[in-house]
Amino acid sequence: ELKVEQNPLFLSMQEGKNYTIYCNYSTTSDRLYWYRQDPGKSLESLFVLLSNGAVKQEGRLMASLDTKARLSTLHITAAVHDLSATYFCAVVGVGGGADGLTFGKGTHLIIQP
Amino acid sequence: DGGITQSPKYLFRKEGQNVTLSCEQNLNHDAMYWYRQDPGQGLRLIYYSQIVNDFQKGDIAEGYSVSREKKESFPLTVTSAQKNPTAFYLCASSILAIRGDTQYFGPGTRLTVL
Repeated sequence: ELKVEQNPLFLSMQEGKNYTIYCNYSTTSDRLYWYRQDPGKSLESLFVLLSNGAVKQEGRLMASLDTKARLSTLHITAAVHDLSATYFCAVVGVGGGADGLTFGKGTHLIIQP
Repeated sequence: DGGITQSPKYLFRKEGQNVTLSCEQNLNHDAMYWYRQDPGQGLRLIYYSQIVNDFQKGDIAEGYSVSREKKESFPLTVTSAQKNPTAFYLCASSILAIRGDTQYFGPGTRLTVL
């Protein structure tokens, strides 16, 4: 059974600081996704990571994937208040190209001025 | 505009009633999915469909049913057998042919059992 663990589950940080969210998964996976969710809203796709060593960046967010360690990270650089949200990582099993995603519980991020 | 629509946005159900949540997409995506989200939790897969007239159970299918009669539509019925249906329900779709394509999510339906 594929399991996905994120940590921390809750993070309060100040504007201008850097921090990293970690996503571990239990079995070999075909790909890994990062999503953002604002309160009461749906999920917005941030990144899709397909191969070992993949790194993607968008603004102050950078995601990386280490398939050997079964670990992905989402790094936040010089955080700003607008990045406050819940961030989810999600994984597809290697045998399931069209299967649904297995999600972590999410990291609730609050960025304070 | 291309996208995924879900209706209604809010739904109230009395115990013992079946209710159907609508999901429509005009993205020409092959696969469609239903997820459930409980407060403070991640999403859990209920059902998914890769092609018309075919669908598969996800991790928490008990008490739910779906149909896929058209490529664009994937309605979810929450039956009276679902013991704790109050949750936020999200529909998603994706293109199967592109390995790197993501799943795109609709705006969601918030179901409350009275």
